[in-house]
Amino acid sequence: KNQVEQSPQSLIILEGKNCTLQCNYTVSPFSNLRWYKQDTGRGPVSLTIMTFSENTKSNGRYTATLDADTKQSSLHITASQLSDSASYICVVSADSSYKLIFGSGTRLLVRP
Amino acid sequence: NAGVMQNPRHLVRRRGQEARLRCSPMKGHSHVYWYRQLPEEGLKFMVYLQKENIIDESGMPKERFSAEFPKEGPSILRIQQVVRGDSAAYFCASSPLSGFNTEAFFGQGTRLTVV
Repeated sequence: KNQVEQSPQSLIILEGKNCTLQCNYTVSPFSNLRWYKQDTGRGPVSLTIMTFSENTKSNGRYTATLDADTKQSSLHITASQLSDSASYICVVSADSSYKLIFGSGTRLLVRP
Repeated sequence: NAGVMQNPRHLVRRRGQEARLRCSPMKGHSHVYWYRQLPEEGLKFMVYLQKENIIDESGMPKERFSAEFPKEGPSILRIQQVVRGDSAAYFCASSPLSGFNTEAFFGQGTRLTVV
């Protein structure tokens, strides 16, 4: 069964600190992996998208890594800001890429 | 170029009524996807449409739910005879192409509450 598991479920950090969110997936055949940010009451916004051959991709203070062998990904947030408070969702695409498989997300709260 | 527009943002329906959710894709996008997010859960694929065609509706319940994307106008997700379990956030996404690595852009969602 295609699944995407994320950890931790929730995380609280102080402003300015770094954090790393984890994603494990059992999706086959693998097409690509995406990280989305979802603010409360809003739709998901894409942060990064990585294919099988890519093992790291950055978007500003966000850096995603992918290990296709172990089927793990991480999202590292550097120098967190209050506006980073949101849910971060790991999404994996199987062979037909429109059928995105969503994790339940990690809820990040950045405190001043 | 406006993003994906969904309306209404919030919809309250009594049990047994019909709910109609609208999605206008980004300009130039001919592929529309609907997802449902139950409380505390991840988004789940429901249906994929191109103009005037349903490509894949495998994630949509067989009864009471239907979707369309006419040649003109927005995509519509229709839920007939709503029940409390239909309460969820419904997200629409659009893309210019379908296939490998296609980026999909999401709307703000419609939050349906069935009372």
